[in-house]
Amino acid sequence: KQEVTQIPAALSVPEGENLVLNCSFTDSAIYNLQWFRQDPGKGLTSLLLIQSSQREQTSGRLNASLDKSSGRSTLYIAASQPGDSATYLCAVRDSNYQLIWGAGTKLIIKP
Amino acid sequence: NAGVTQTPKFRVLKTGQSMTLLCAQDMNHEYMYWYRQDPGMGLRLIHYSVGEGTTAKGEVPDGYNVSRLKKQNFLLGLESAAPSQTSVYFCASSYAGSNEQFFGPGTRLTVL
Repeated sequence: KQEVTQIPAALSVPEGENLVLNCSFTDSAIYNLQWFRQDPGKGLTSLLLIQSSQREQTSGRLNASLDKSSGRSTLYIAASQPGDSATYLCAVRDSNYQLIWGAGTKLIIKP
Repeated sequence: NAGVTQTPKFRVLKTGQSMTLLCAQDMNHEYMYWYRQDPGMGLRLIHYSVGEGTTAKGEVPDGYNVSRLKKQNFLLGLESAAPSQTSVYFCASSYAGSNEQFFGPGTRLTVL
């Protein structure tokens, strides 16, 4: 059964730093992996989607990588800003085409 | 264009009470989903629908029922609420087969 883990559960860094969020999954048979952002009281917003054949995707200050063989993905945030404070979730689409979610990393950017 | 909306935003129930959560989308999406989110856990799929008049079970369907009488609405019902159903419930929608799901703002439900 596919399991998705995100460590750490929470992270606090000073503004301006570059940071990396981690996501690991147990079964490499995936269609794709997505990173989402969740703000309190709001729904989830999709940030990046990486197909299983891709190694990385970039959007602005965000870069997501995928290493399917090792079951890992990272979300790199460059030059962090207080507005980046949110919970970041990763989800893999497994071999049954179901979305399996990690519990998220709560990120706090200190001004 | 409101996207995905959920009603209500908050609700407190007593054990055994029933209620219905309403999800509405104005994007003409075929697929709709209900998830629950619990502390320390990822989102879990309760039920989903691939079109008007169709529903299917997800990962954690027990204790819930759903209906999709209109394409734009997806209702989640709790017939006899239990404390274990205390959670935040999210609705999402997407085009058929699309990887991109659009989420509502969530409903925080507490069952005492």
